[in-house]
Amino acid sequence: NAGVTQTPKFQVLKTGQSMTLQCAQDMNHNSMYWYRQDPGMGLRLIYYSASEGTTDKGEVPNGYNVSRLNKREFSLRLESAAPSQTSVYFCASSEAVGGSHTQYFGPGTRLTVL
Amino acid sequence: SQKIEQNSEALNIQEGKTATLTCNYTNYSPAYLQWYRQDPGRGPVFLLLIRENEKEKRKERLKVTFDTTLKQSLFHITASQPADSATYLCALDGNSGGGADGLTFGKGTHLIIQP
Repeated sequence: NAGVTQTPKFQVLKTGQSMTLQCAQDMNHNSMYWYRQDPGMGLRLIYYSASEGTTDKGEVPNGYNVSRLNKREFSLRLESAAPSQTSVYFCASSEAVGGSHTQYFGPGTRLTVL
Repeated sequence: SQKIEQNSEALNIQEGKTATLTCNYTNYSPAYLQWYRQDPGRGPVFLLLIRENEKEKRKERLKVTFDTTLKQSLFHITASQPADSATYLCALDGNSGGGADGLTFGKGTHLIIQP
């Protein structure tokens, strides 16, 4: 099992460019998440998908869109990148065990917007 | 507003001693509290979960306590080793119960175990 995989690992964009971050999980989890991590800010939730076919906003959704393509895949799109979106992006998945959602994270995508 | 606080400064502990990390929260009524470990350049890895009706949870050299009256969790690593050096994150499921809509993370405490 690969767990949660993310592509690309690194990306440099110019302001205004667009890109899609890809995430896939092979654990058959229903729920998937996108977080961003910035120095001094900790992990913040961008969007989540509680199940295939549903997506909801998290704490910091502005400037992002998501697609839950199927149960395995959850992508994050930046339509017009801004320097404020320079961050490390983590995808995670979870399954309810005894009512709680322990999260399994991917290795991250390090994005720089110039 | 909801807030989670962890020791913002690095914690230096001598090898073999017990490391104790603190997580305090306000304006939450979490059903669960989780601890994660994060190494440089990697994603967080789940360590332990404790429920609101549990006082203490253990796993090998790790121990977590949860005091809902004080709104505090303590994370202990006994017989600490240099390999335990990492950033440790506290996470709450918020008020939704369970964390299906994501977790709220503290900023983490950087732990350094010195040989």
